[in-house]
Amino acid sequence: EPEVTQTPSHQVTQMGQEVILRCVPISNHLYFYWYRQILGQKVEFLVSFYNNEISEKSEIFDDQFSVERPDGSNFTLKIRSTKLEDSAMYFCASAIGRGSANEKLFFGSGTQLSVL
Amino acid sequence: KQEVTQIPAALSVPEGENLVLNCSFTDSAIYNLQWFRQDPGKGLTSLLLIQSSQREQTSGRLNASLDKSSGRSTLYIAASQPGDSATYLCAVPNAGGTSYGKLTFGQGTILTVHP
Repeated sequence: EPEVTQTPSHQVTQMGQEVILRCVPISNHLYFYWYRQILGQKVEFLVSFYNNEISEKSEIFDDQFSVERPDGSNFTLKIRSTKLEDSAMYFCASAIGRGSANEKLFFGSGTQLSVL
Repeated sequence: KQEVTQIPAALSVPEGENLVLNCSFTDSAIYNLQWFRQDPGKGLTSLLLIQSSQREQTSGRLNASLDKSSGRSTLYIAASQPGDSATYLCAVPNAGGTSYGKLTFGQGTILTVHP
């Protein structure tokens, strides 16, 4: 069964450093998302991406964050200058489209980001 | 702002029991609701998606119901097994506009099924 793949599974970085989290969505999906989950807290929406542009972003997704789909398969989340509070599990998700079962989200297994 | 609450926070049952997990949401103007399963340190697996026009959806031993007007959904698990042990999350999208896929999650119910 097709799946969303994320790399790396764990990333440790120093505060102030840039990190790039990578995702390969399911190949025929058109909508892409990043979510995060801080330890012990709810899963939170960060950003949605469609047709090579951001559709919507949350308050968390400030100027330190950016997303890109550099080619036909990868979808990346960049954090320019990491802060301690960015430590979380970051999930990539994708969906075929809109309407009915097309909106079912498929999640990757996540990247655990630890900012020291 | 949409808020999603799940009850109970944790549940421990012996194998074979039928059980019900509850989810409530504050804004009933939703167009679907999804139930997910999360295993420790892993991603989320979509279990069921119920459209707002549907009242329930079934997959194997799982049955999810949706009552939009009262802002509630339940996930029924029949004949529970130890392999069902996981955190179960309920999520709803914000209503309308471009908010497809922008889900608001509950905090989850941690289910433990012991042999």
